[in-house]
Amino acid sequence: DGGITQSPKYLFRKEGQNVTLSCEQNLNHDAMYWYRQDPGQGLRLIYYSQIVNDFQKGDIAEGYSVSREKKESFPLTVTSAQKNPTAFYLCASSFRDTTYNEQFFGPGTRLTVL
Amino acid sequence: QQQVKQSPQSLIVQKGGISIINCAYENTAFDYFPWYQQFPGKGPALLIAIRPDVSEKKEGRFTISFNKSAKQFSLHIMDSQPGDSATYFCAARRDTGNQFYFGTGTSLTVIP
Repeated sequence: DGGITQSPKYLFRKEGQNVTLSCEQNLNHDAMYWYRQDPGQGLRLIYYSQIVNDFQKGDIAEGYSVSREKKESFPLTVTSAQKNPTAFYLCASSFRDTTYNEQFFGPGTRLTVL
Repeated sequence: QQQVKQSPQSLIVQKGGISIINCAYENTAFDYFPWYQQFPGKGPALLIAIRPDVSEKKEGRFTISFNKSAKQFSLHIMDSQPGDSATYFCAARRDTGNQFYFGTGTSLTVIP
């Protein structure tokens, strides 16, 4: 069953703690993305990676970190430096070849800071 | 700075009516324009997409109209159904870097 999985579905964090959100895909996609979704603001890009061991900052990278050690995995760490981390986080993936354009999304992780 | 501007923010349509959502962009380097449908608590799913070399694409009840000179594109949902009630996002992809830019979303409610 091909697709993108994100875990956990819900995550609660105390202020000052780092948390890591998991994203795994078995679609053989080269590129992976992390978005943050807030009400009324659409999807904002946090980080993206086109190939293993390489990634670029998106529009709102401050307070977040990522790694891309394997093609299938792109975990996102929300650090204590992120001032307002409560949001819905979406992972996505796609082929790099622009002939195949579709970006597939995971089911999301809702992070709440207590 | 919002690279893709979407309107309206919310839309209420009677069952059987036509839902129209509009998007506009400025960057001529965009080469792919998808529309996504998102239900509450779920990830977005691709609905329909278009490239700038065509002016219209239709898939079932969903049609994208694309105006390259005006840098605008729109989603039309014909014979709208209550099951179409969801949030719709337009997006645009830059031709280099494979980076996507999203509109702010439209919450569609179809009244029975």
